[in-house]
Amino acid sequence: GDSVTQMEGPVTLSEEAFLTINCTYTATGYPSLFWYVQYPGEGLQLLLKATKADDKGSNKGFEATYRKETTSFHLEKGSVQVSDSAVYFCALSDPADYKLSFGAGTTVTVRA
Amino acid sequence: SQTIHQWPATLVQPVGSPLSLECTVEGTSNPNLYWYRQAAGRGLQLLFYSVGIGQISSEVPQNLSASRPQDRQFILSSKKLLLSDSGFYLCAWLGWTARGYTFGSGTRLTVV
Repeated sequence: GDSVTQMEGPVTLSEEAFLTINCTYTATGYPSLFWYVQYPGEGLQLLLKATKADDKGSNKGFEATYRKETTSFHLEKGSVQVSDSAVYFCALSDPADYKLSFGAGTTVTVRA
Repeated sequence: SQTIHQWPATLVQPVGSPLSLECTVEGTSNPNLYWYRQAAGRGLQLLFYSVGIGQISSEVPQNLSASRPQDRQFILSSKKLLLSDSGFYLCAWLGWTARGYTFGSGTRLTVV
């Protein structure tokens, strides 16, 4: 079945540092890929998405590119802020039934 | 606009007591609805999903059940809670827009 493997955390960074969170997937079809963010005490919010190979999703300074050849969707941000502290989830959507499969989540803490 | 409501936000229940969590969606019709659980320190697990009134698909065997009595209402229930039912429960619906899935704010359930 479909699955997502996500870089384990926790990750602790200083403000303005570069952030990368690795995500790879296994899928039988052609899934859509997502990054969700969960701020402390809140539900999940969609951060960005990509629906086909070579698509780049971007939002709030974060970017991720759908790489079919490496089955990856790594999340990057060039200069993080304290407000980026959150749990980040990589996910894929099965095009057959639209169920979401999530990675385990990566906790990111940014220190001032 | 489309919104999703989930309540209660937090709940503390004794072992063996019943459970009812409710999720409602506004501004759309015939949505796909989903219940996810996030156990402490773990990722999100799909529990149930529904593509229409009275239609429920269960992803994992467990102590919980789901019902969809109305088009925009999705209920998660248990007759007798177990300690292992503790976690963060999220309702979601699949919107046919660029936003993809929309999640409710979640219910933090602690079984004591």
